[in-house]
Amino acid sequence: DTGVSQDPRHKITKRGQNVTFRCDPISEHNRLYWYRQTLGQGPEFLTYFQNEAQLEKSRLLSDRFSAERPKGSFSTLEIQRTEQGDSAMYLCASSLAGGRVNQPQHFGDGTRLSIL
Amino acid sequence: ELKVEQNPLFLSMQEEKNYTIYCNYSTTSDRLYWYRQDPGKSLESLFVLLSNGAVKQEGRLMASLDTKARLSTLHITAAVHDLSATYFCAVGSMDSNYQLIWGAGTKLIIKP
Repeated sequence: DTGVSQDPRHKITKRGQNVTFRCDPISEHNRLYWYRQTLGQGPEFLTYFQNEAQLEKSRLLSDRFSAERPKGSFSTLEIQRTEQGDSAMYLCASSLAGGRVNQPQHFGDGTRLSIL
Repeated sequence: ELKVEQNPLFLSMQEEKNYTIYCNYSTTSDRLYWYRQDPGKSLESLFVLLSNGAVKQEGRLMASLDTKARLSTLHITAAVHDLSATYFCAVGSMDSNYQLIWGAGTKLIIKP
């Protein structure tokens, strides 16, 4: 178990640019989640995958955000035309498969995005 | 709409003292989680609480759930410096099998 891995750890970009983040979940986990966390707040749910299927997206998620998990393993989160308000820590988590949805999620260290 | 409120948001305490962090939520839920986050680090799962009256303990931390009161508590016994961190509760939304609604976190500082 090597844990959830996220890349890059930090990203600094100018407003209006596109950015893409990668998440590699724990290998036996088929559930994958993306969250956004700002300073002094708890994580905010963005989207959820079971295998390669994106089953849920937050209704607060802008059309500029898109996520994929093409082969049911790693996932990417892309933000197009970044804005100042996109500056945050982007967290990825994964959890075990199975009928119950109550398994705890295991989090990566996150990608910190700073928009200049 | 499910809302989750933690209090206090900040707690500074002395070693060897006991204290409790509270997590209130606004609508029915069937699952509640406690996580710990150290500065600049990932979130670490502490407890999963699934039923009314559930109590889980690990070392100096004990979590409980009262679904009727929509309240969970995280109790710290004889605090030690290593427990300094931010503690979050997260509550499962009944509108979703997957979405968790998170509290704002309680920043705990334990002074020697």
